[in-house]
Amino acid sequence: AQSVTQLGSHVSVSEGALVLLRCNYSSSVPPYLFWYVQYPNQGLQLLLKYTSAATLVKGINGFEAEFKKSETSFHLTKPSAHMSDAAEYFCAVSDTGNQFYFGTGTSLTVIP
Amino acid sequence: DAGVTQSPTHLIKTRGQQVTLRCSPKSGHDTVSWYQQALGQGPQFIFQYYEEEERQRGNFPDRFSGHQFPNYSSELNVNALLLGDSALYLCASSRQGLYEQYFGPGTRLTVT
Repeated sequence: AQSVTQLGSHVSVSEGALVLLRCNYSSSVPPYLFWYVQYPNQGLQLLLKYTSAATLVKGINGFEAEFKKSETSFHLTKPSAHMSDAAEYFCAVSDTGNQFYFGTGTSLTVIP
Repeated sequence: DAGVTQSPTHLIKTRGQQVTLRCSPKSGHDTVSWYQQALGQGPQFIFQYYEEEERQRGNFPDRFSGHQFPNYSSELNVNALLLGDSALYLCASSRQGLYEQYFGPGTRLTVT
């Protein structure tokens, strides 16, 4: 069985500060890992994905994530938060690329 | 290039009724997955269609059924609606063998 745990349902950062959103996964096989962003009343947009290539993955809008097998983690970071980053962020895991298992999400607030 | 499109945007139904939601995948994609996202939760996998057949199914009752057409578009049908079926229904498309899903804007279903 696969699952995703996102620590912190709400995260607040100041504009210009580091963004760190945490994701830990459980998978019996080497996983595929994803981060999605959801703006209010919209669908999910893919930020980045890990599919067993480089462990440090760069995505859109300056976000990146590092796959750490020993810690079963795939935390999302961005060096400097922007007001437009305020949204809901979801981590997801899949073993086959078919069924995705999503975390419960982290709401990011950026304080001006 | 149009992305994933869904219709309708919003829908209000009464308990016990039936509903059909529609999805057109991104150009070049042949696989469609459906997810249910309750308020404040992450998306939950309902099922996936490929080559007009249900390939994988999540933990949802038989009241939830679907169909995929030769042009790869898909429908989600829900019978005997319950209040708990109120949610955002998301369609995601992908290309077989590629491990990323692109999401539509969703259909907001309210059951009264």
